[in-house]
Amino acid sequence: SQQGEEDPQALSIQEGENATMNCSYKTSINNLQWYRQNSGRGLVHLILIRSNEREKHSGRLRVTLDTSKKSSSLLITASRAADTASYFCATGSGNTGKLIFGQGTTLQVKP
Amino acid sequence: KAGVTQTPRYLIKTRGQQVTLSCSPISGHRSVSWYQQTPGQGLQFLFEYFSETQRNKGNFPGRFSGRQFSNSRSEMNVSTLELGDSALYLCASSFDLTSYEQYFGPGTRLTVT
Repeated sequence: SQQGEEDPQALSIQEGENATMNCSYKTSINNLQWYRQNSGRGLVHLILIRSNEREKHSGRLRVTLDTSKKSSSLLITASRAADTASYFCATGSGNTGKLIFGQGTTLQVKP
Repeated sequence: KAGVTQTPRYLIKTRGQQVTLSCSPISGHRSVSWYQQTPGQGLQFLFEYFSETQRNKGNFPGRFSGRQFSNSRSEMNVSTLELGDSALYLCASSFDLTSYEQYFGPGTRLTVT
């Protein structure tokens, strides 16, 4: 079963613009992660934020987490054509590697 | 370090057959998880193994099974294949159960005809 919703389902922007994707989840978590997938290939881990953190940065990525609203957002700044991919949020809980994924946001960055 | 490897990368099977997929985790990683990805259901958790023991299982029928070997390599088996089993099967590894970050392999694309 899916953990929650990702919004928007699809996003098309121009190179250089910022892209923001949102994720909501239903149950309590101890971490939330974002992954990227190119054309049905494997998932690439982007960033992990723990439930006691509110914001995290990694290069051009900024993730926020609001546990009171059970939501997270991923911001990609100064997007590039190479950022074109599907982006998934995934939540983890307990002492387990099990991840529950959202439906994903398909991002297209036009050169 | 070499990444997670999965074999085979592509597979075509007929309904009713069975299939075995293999996953080799990153060296030193002891936890392996499997996921099924379909356009309709998205990414769904199948099972998780650690130290040769299944620690967690998703909501899939008993036709789906797996195992982990002493070298942490893992296999999953699907018996009596159905058309709906056509999917991308992804394997992920992590150092242990508390290492939340998962490293995914390229996946095995299974087509059932």
